[in-house]
Amino acid sequence: AQKVTQAQTEISVVEKEDVTLDCVYETRDTTYYLFWYKQPPSGELVFLIRRNSFDEQNEISGRYSWNFQKSTSSFNFTITASQVVDSAVYFCALSMEYGNKLVFGAGTILRVKS
Amino acid sequence: GAGVSQSPSNKVTEKGKDVELRCDPISGHTALYWYRQSLGQGLEFLIYFQGNSAPDKSGLPSDRFSAERTGGSVSTLTIQRTQQEDSAVYLCASSLSFTPRHGHYEQYFGPGTRLTVT
Repeated sequence: AQKVTQAQTEISVVEKEDVTLDCVYETRDTTYYLFWYKQPPSGELVFLIRRNSFDEQNEISGRYSWNFQKSTSSFNFTITASQVVDSAVYFCALSMEYGNKLVFGAGTILRVKS
Repeated sequence: GAGVSQSPSNKVTEKGKDVELRCDPISGHTALYWYRQSLGQGLEFLIYFQGNSAPDKSGLPSDRFSAERTGGSVSTLTIQRTQQEDSAVYLCASSLSFTPRHGHYEQYFGPGTRLTVT
């Protein structure tokens, strides 16, 4: 079975601090896909990134960066110089090569205070 | 372009009534997904469509739940004889491709329908 664990239920930081959101996944498949989604207070899930299991290269997009480590089954997300607009619930998700459903973690609430 | 749209945005119904929730995917997206988000269960997969067929219905919680998709576009999720435990936000998503190997696999979500069963 597949499982995604986001151990951090809630994180509070002050604006401009860096913050890392942890994601640990479980799967027996050798090919799989990992995702991060953002759910702002408005409620709509926003796609942030997809990573394939065969591509361990880390990625940076502006203030966002992702660290994928197969050895520890982790796909962590770092926001540099956080801003109030980053306040949201962040979900990590996993899908398999065959079968298209997303298995989500419980989410991490990020509160960025000014 | 237009994103995924869902209607109604809110629905309050009495226990035992049937409800229909509608999803309009992004134009040209071949795959369509339904999820449910509730406080106790988090985000759960319900069903997935590839064109008009549903290869994976594994997440439907009971036979009171059904879904269809017509014309490779609009989808309707129907809940019969609603129960209080059905109260949740029902989310629809679509993706350009239904095969991860083909890329463009990421799912784009609609705003959801908040269902409250009284």
